[in-house]
Order: sequence, then C-alpha cells, then structure tokens
Amino acid sequence: EDKVVQSPLSLVVHEGDTVTLNCSYEVTNFRSLLWYKQEKKAPTFLFMLTSSGIEKKSGRLSSILDKKELFSILNITATQTGDSAVYLCAVEGVGGATNKLIFGTGTLLAVQP
Amino acid sequence: SQTIHQWPATLVQPVGSPLSLECTVEGTSNPNLYWYRQAAGRGLQLLFYSVGIGQISSEVPQNLSASRPQDRQFILSSKKLLLSDSGFYLCARRWGGRMNTEAFFGQGTRLTVV
Repeated sequence: EDKVVQSPLSLVVHEGDTVTLNCSYEVTNFRSLLWYKQEKKAPTFLFMLTSSGIEKKSGRLSSILDKKELFSILNITATQTGDSAVYLCAVEGVGGATNKLIFGTGTLLAVQP
Repeated sequence: SQTIHQWPATLVQPVGSPLSLECTVEGTSNPNLYWYRQAAGRGLQLLFYSVGIGQISSEVPQNLSASRPQDRQFILSSKKLLLSDSGFYLCARRWGGRMNTEAFFGQGTRLTVV
C-alpha cells in the first residue's frame, strides 16, 4: 500500500531558528514528490522534486530528494512567524497509482516571536 | 486560470441527512480532479479521483460517493451522513494526461455533522 509519513508531527520554534521537516514514502513506481504549505484553507504549492540530489530553493525555503533512501527534507532558515502553518508532503506514483497523489499526515509548525 | 470553485464554505448537517458538495474548475479541459478530506488540520486523505467524465476511482470504502457529470464538475455526495463524516473537504485539480504536475486546491468546505 502506498504510504507517506512525515515527521515530526508538530514543532515549536522561535523566530530566527532553522527547521528541518522530514517526509518518507513507499509508493509503487515513484514519479514525483511535492511540498505544500497550508495556513488556513487551501494548501499552496511550494516545490516539486523528481530527481535525487538536486536542491530546489525559494527564498528561505529549500528542499531535496533522496530516491535511494525514499525521503525528502524541507528546510526553512531564519524562520518567521509567517512560516507558521501545516506543511504537507505528497507523492505521485505511476501504474497502479496513476494520477493519484498521496499526502502525508503533515507537520504543524509554530514559530513564536 | 486554475481557479477552483467549491461551495458551500461551511455546512452543518444532522446525522442521517444527505450531502452534496460541488466543485467546478476553470482552465484547460479534461483535468484530473480529486476529493480529499482533512481531519483536525492534519494530513489529507484521498477519497476519490477522476481522470474524465463518468470515471471515478474510490480510495476509501465509506458512505460517500462521487460523480463527474461534466468535464469541469466534480460532486461529492452521501445519502446518510455519519458523525465521522465531519471534516474539511478539499477539491483539487491537476493537468490531465501529464505526470509531474502540481495540484491546485479550492478553498474547501468545512462540514460538521451534528
């Protein structure tokens, strides 16, 4: 069965800290891994990763994928209160899971001033 | 445009009542459409997905059903709601016929079954 597991489940940090969020997966014929940020309602897209070892970066956020060990990390440097959100990881597989996007449990990040 | 319309935004329904949530999307034709449920602000559970009109794949056996009567319309239904159906329901779309594309989400419907 396809599975996506995120850790930690929740995290409380202070402004300026650096955080690392983890996502591990088991999926048939992996195709891509996606990261989303959800503040109140609709999740917003952050990154899509398809190749191992290639870092994607956007401002203070960065992410990398390891297809051998089946995991990805999302780093946030110099955190701000506006980074407080649920961060979701999703994986797409091919074949039996064609067109299916499986999400993990999410990591709730709280950044305190 | 990747606009996704979901309504209503909030809904309070008694146990045993029927449900109909509607999602319509704008943009290119033949999108892949998804219904997710999120409990207590945590991970998204995939309920149904559709790659075309009348084509529905169910992920979790339950008392919910989905239909896609038109290319850009996706409906989530129930004949009799249970307390456990409470949650935040999100509709999403992706490009049809392609891999490695992000999903765009609607603003969601918060359903409370009382």
